[in-house]
Amino acid sequence: RKEVEQDPGPFNVPEGATVAFNCTYSNSASQSFFWYRQDCRKEPKLLMSVYSSGNEDGRFTAQLNRASQYISLLIRDSKLSDSATYLCVVNRFGEYGNKLVFGAGTILRVKS
Amino acid sequence: DVKVTQSSRYLVKRTGEKVFLECVQDMDHENMFWYRQDPGLGLRLIYFSYDVKMKEKGDIPEGYSVSREKKERFSLILESASTNQTSMYLCASRDTRPDEDEQYFGPGTRLTVT
Repeated sequence: RKEVEQDPGPFNVPEGATVAFNCTYSNSASQSFFWYRQDCRKEPKLLMSVYSSGNEDGRFTAQLNRASQYISLLIRDSKLSDSATYLCVVNRFGEYGNKLVFGAGTILRVKS
Repeated sequence: DVKVTQSSRYLVKRTGEKVFLECVQDMDHENMFWYRQDPGLGLRLIYFSYDVKMKEKGDIPEGYSVSREKKERFSLILESASTNQTSMYLCASRDTRPDEDEQYFGPGTRLTVT
């Protein structure tokens, strides 16, 4: 079983739609959670951290359910520019510092 | 603005060649990482370095080695390139301060081994 699992998609949605991505992780010791965004042929960039109480950044809402080891990302009022791959990321503790474990990503395509 | 640069965007090498991929960051970060990214598998950690001359194996270190002689530079070495090392290679760096979560990536090097 992969340490971080995501539905690969693609999710094809019209502009203005609300779309949700889910992610599960297997290491119950993970303490930090993130969503990264990767545009086509570009490097990943941090979209938002995910906090236990849930957090919102404009049209984006992230939720964490520790009991179920489940993370979600909700995008409201989708824009064409939201088209990208969304990577679910959790930390893994190590002797020499934390390392990040990346999911394979969920592809979002927003169409006009 | 953090900047992570990689020496090449595209590279084509022959099987058996020794390959050097260079990465430089300008933010004085202690931690640096090398990943490869393949379709369906996501980013997988090859090696990371937590200080100059210090390194630790990631999840898939076989066939690779690394060098960190200066804080800003982290090199990935393929001792004898093989076709299964054809991939996108991404370098990243991160601060070690507790409130610094973000990992910054370079633009990637697409390596093809023929």
